[in-house]
Amino acid sequence: KNEVEQSPQNLTAQEGEFITINCSYSVGISALHWLQQHPGGGIVSLFMLSSGKKKHGRLIATINIQEKHSSLHITASHPRDSAVYICAVIPWAGGGADGLTFGKGTHLIIQP
Amino acid sequence: EAGVVQSPRYKIIEKKQPVAFWCNPISGHNTLYWYLQNLGQGPELLIRYENEEAVDDSQLPKDRFSAERLKGVDSTLKIQPAELGDSAVYLCASSLGRGNEQFFGPGTRLTVL
Repeated sequence: KNEVEQSPQNLTAQEGEFITINCSYSVGISALHWLQQHPGGGIVSLFMLSSGKKKHGRLIATINIQEKHSSLHITASHPRDSAVYICAVIPWAGGGADGLTFGKGTHLIIQP
Repeated sequence: EAGVVQSPRYKIIEKKQPVAFWCNPISGHNTLYWYLQNLGQGPELLIRYENEEAVDDSQLPKDRFSAERLKGVDSTLKIQPAELGDSAVYLCASSLGRGNEQFFGPGTRLTVL
C-alpha cells in the first residue's frame, strides 16, 4: 500500500467547475507539498503546508494533520489548469525514507 | 533568479551505453535531490545531498548508477551501462535544507533503445 494515496486518479470537468483533489497519507509528516506537472514539463510547487489552509489565486490547499488528509481545490477552473497534480509529503526525520514521498498524481482535464 | 537547471532535456541512447545528467541547483541551496519518475507514476528519490555529502542513497542502484556533487553545488548522475528499464524522467530538485520547500528542474527524459 502506498504511503500517499490520491483520489481521484483521473478527473475531467467543464470549465468553471469547482475542483477538489484529495490526498491521504499514513506516515507522520513535517509538511505536505502540492505540486503541478504539465505534460512534458517539469514540476512546479504550488503549496507547502503543515497546518490549516493556504490560498493562492484560484487555488486553495487545506490539511488536517490529525486525520492525515489534505485537499487541493481549484475555483472557477480553466482549461489551462489541465495538468497532473501531485501530493507529496516530507516524513519526520528518521521516520522513514528521506526526500519527498509522492502520490501517483491526479490527471485533471478541464474542457472548454 | 534562475531556477534549477538540468541538461540535457532529452537523451536517446542504445542499451549498454553510458549516459550522464547534469544539475545546477538554485544558488544557496545546500540540499540537492535526484528523483526518478516512470511514466504515470510519482517521482521516487534516488539520492539526497547535503552540500557535497550523499546522506541518503539507499534507493540508488549502485551497480550501474553513480552520482557526485564534488564542490557542493552542481551534481552529475551517471548510468553505466544503461538498460531498457532505465527509460524515465530524471528530476533534480534543490532546497535550502531538508524539510524546506523543494524546487524542481525541468527534468531529463531518457529513452533507452
